[in-house]
Amino acid sequence: DTEVTQTPKHLVMGMTNKKSLKCEQHMGHRAMYWYKQKAKKPPELMFVYSYEKLSINESVPSRFSPECPNSSLLNLHLHALQPEDSALYLCASSRTQGETQYFGPGTRLLVL
Amino acid sequence: DAKTTQPTSMDCAEGRAANLPCNHSTISGNEYVYWYRQIHSQGPQYIIHGLKNNETNEMASLIITEDRKSSTLILPHATLRDTAVYYCIVRRPDSGYALNFGKGTSLLVTP
Repeated sequence: DTEVTQTPKHLVMGMTNKKSLKCEQHMGHRAMYWYKQKAKKPPELMFVYSYEKLSINESVPSRFSPECPNSSLLNLHLHALQPEDSALYLCASSRTQGETQYFGPGTRLLVL
Repeated sequence: DAKTTQPTSMDCAEGRAANLPCNHSTISGNEYVYWYRQIHSQGPQYIIHGLKNNETNEMASLIITEDRKSSTLILPHATLRDTAVYYCIVRRPDSGYALNFGKGTSLLVTP
């Protein structure tokens, strides 16, 4: 089983809203990732968690706040987003850092 | 990680083999070749990876040339559901954590 689940599938939010994206995997993977993908562009890495600790932040604005409450769960908290933050947000996991990454279906976010 | 070059787009008739090429002439000895695909509006899907030997799984075959400067992903019997963007990625296992997807090849499988 190589399933990574993400909720919600779609999200519309205003610039003053606070919302959260959720990612879950039950493969025992200890590395989890957030990517952002704009239309017609490849995915770009945002954050990496390894053993529930943040190991990489690719200079992401503070309006995006990741959280890894346990080894199976990864959240992305959103606050005061801009319309240009509208994108497909992808979660991935791998057994450990550097190993094959498996992606979830993504959350399509629209910021109005 | 080594840079890759892929054709922008390819067509393939349904039921035929789809052969997707990738050039990675600057690949180093410990870099693996990974293939992912992304069907429209879905998350990328891992297909296969290899170091120097040819690899096969239930989805595809990966053929790596002896000098490792290029590779070909083969979908033996393409179906309409194989229409997607295919990404060839070269990376070392310890090179950090981002996958450099590049621009990929847009494969269109036609009836």
